[in-house]
Amino acid sequence: EADIYQTPRYLVIGTGKKITLECSQTMGHDKMYWYQQDPGMELHLIHYSYGVNSTEKGDLSSESTVSRIRTEHFPLTLESARPSHTSQYLCASSGSQGDNQPQHFGDGTRLSIL
Amino acid sequence: AQSVTQLGSHVSVSEGALVLLRCNYSSSVPPYLFWYVQYPNQGLQLLLKYTSAATLVKGINGFEAEFKKSETSFHLTKPSAHMSDAAEYFCAVSEGFQKLVFGTGTRLLVSP
Repeated sequence: EADIYQTPRYLVIGTGKKITLECSQTMGHDKMYWYQQDPGMELHLIHYSYGVNSTEKGDLSSESTVSRIRTEHFPLTLESARPSHTSQYLCASSGSQGDNQPQHFGDGTRLSIL
Repeated sequence: AQSVTQLGSHVSVSEGALVLLRCNYSSSVPPYLFWYVQYPNQGLQLLLKYTSAATLVKGINGFEAEFKKSETSFHLTKPSAHMSDAAEYFCAVSEGFQKLVFGTGTRLLVSP
């Protein structure tokens, strides 16, 4: 049963458009994450948040930005999409009780920029 | 910095055969280790996690993994593969503050 939701699941859009990928979780988790994953490849952390009004850049440089105004919501925005942004974007969340807490993942958004 | 190495980008087994997916980690502190599974067009689902309570960890769908500190390994096994096990498997180590470092993944192929 999914407690973390990503919309849209698939998006095909032209170059230069502004895009917002939505991620919401109903578990009350403080920590949320965005990963970028190319087909058949590993996950790369691009953004994370430890709570409301807290956002950090991840290990992989990304032109996207994020916001965390509410605990349950962690949207990712691309101001001007380019073909190089074509990828799968996965959102995750985890609870606050120590480093042994697993991350829970949404089903991802597969983004294609024409 | 922590890191994870998964040997073999693809592993092929026959249905009913033993599954062995390898994971070696590098960590300067006692690690927290995880195995995730990813089915096509889906996110990652937690299979099991090691948190130092027991070296042999049992997970969902009949999978288990054994933590071996001397070998810095956390290999995933299942005694008998099922067609539904075909998926991508990721090993991950906690880098602290609940940030995970993932391996490159191993695609498990199961033939009838």
